[in-house]
Amino acid sequence: DIVMTQSPDSLAVSLGERATINCKSSQSVLSSSNNKNYLAWYQQKSGQPPKLLIYWASTRESGVPDRFSGSGSGTDFTLTISSLQAEDVAVYYCQQSYTTPTFGQGTKVEIK
Amino acid sequence: EVQLVESGGGLVQPGGSLRLSCAASGFTFSSYWMHWVRQAPGKGLVWVSHINTDGSSTNYADSVKGRFTISRDNAKNTLYLQMNSLRAEDTAVYYCVRGAGYNGYCFDFWGQATLVTVSS
Repeated sequence: DIVMTQSPDSLAVSLGERATINCKSSQSVLSSSNNKNYLAWYQQKSGQPPKLLIYWASTRESGVPDRFSGSGSGTDFTLTISSLQAEDVAVYYCQQSYTTPTFGQGTKVEIK
Repeated sequence: EVQLVESGGGLVQPGGSLRLSCAASGFTFSSYWMHWVRQAPGKGLVWVSHINTDGSSTNYADSVKGRFTISRDNAKNTLYLQMNSLRAEDTAVYYCVRGAGYNGYCFDFWGQATLVTVSS
């Protein structure tokens, strides 16, 4: 199985500031057949199911605010929240869909 | 509007069985891969099982292989998870999840989950 490792485990950011979450896969999730990275990001607010934010490493799901962006390729990926809002407090997970799915351990984002 | 509504969770003794159901609506159920993903209390997300559109292909996490069986009834727009030989470590909320059309292993809609507690 591909192991997904996120960093940090938690972070506290002031309102309006940037939040950056990293995700590293134990092997590349870049497909040579279509040049796509099989990497998604999810947001899970307390007591709610996860919500898909980003797929193909950098494509925002419909309706997701543009302050959320994804980047990276191969084994190293980043989720950036450009200007943190109160409603962004949540746990964020990366997930690879290159093989049988695996998730990172999650990163808890709080307001400083 | 896409809706996934899980049911069938509850308290069961170790070694017991449960059958989870997921009623789907708001989309063409038979056109999508479906999955079960679980989350133990206070822990992260773990993929459990997947089934393809017509039920001819299934896959399981090693931790449940041989004990859990995923199935679907496209006429009833319903996904199932038969869970046998349950263990304490199977205690979790179980989400019914739709695989995205562009990548079946990407999860674009999630149900609200059903809680399974395995305890004596």
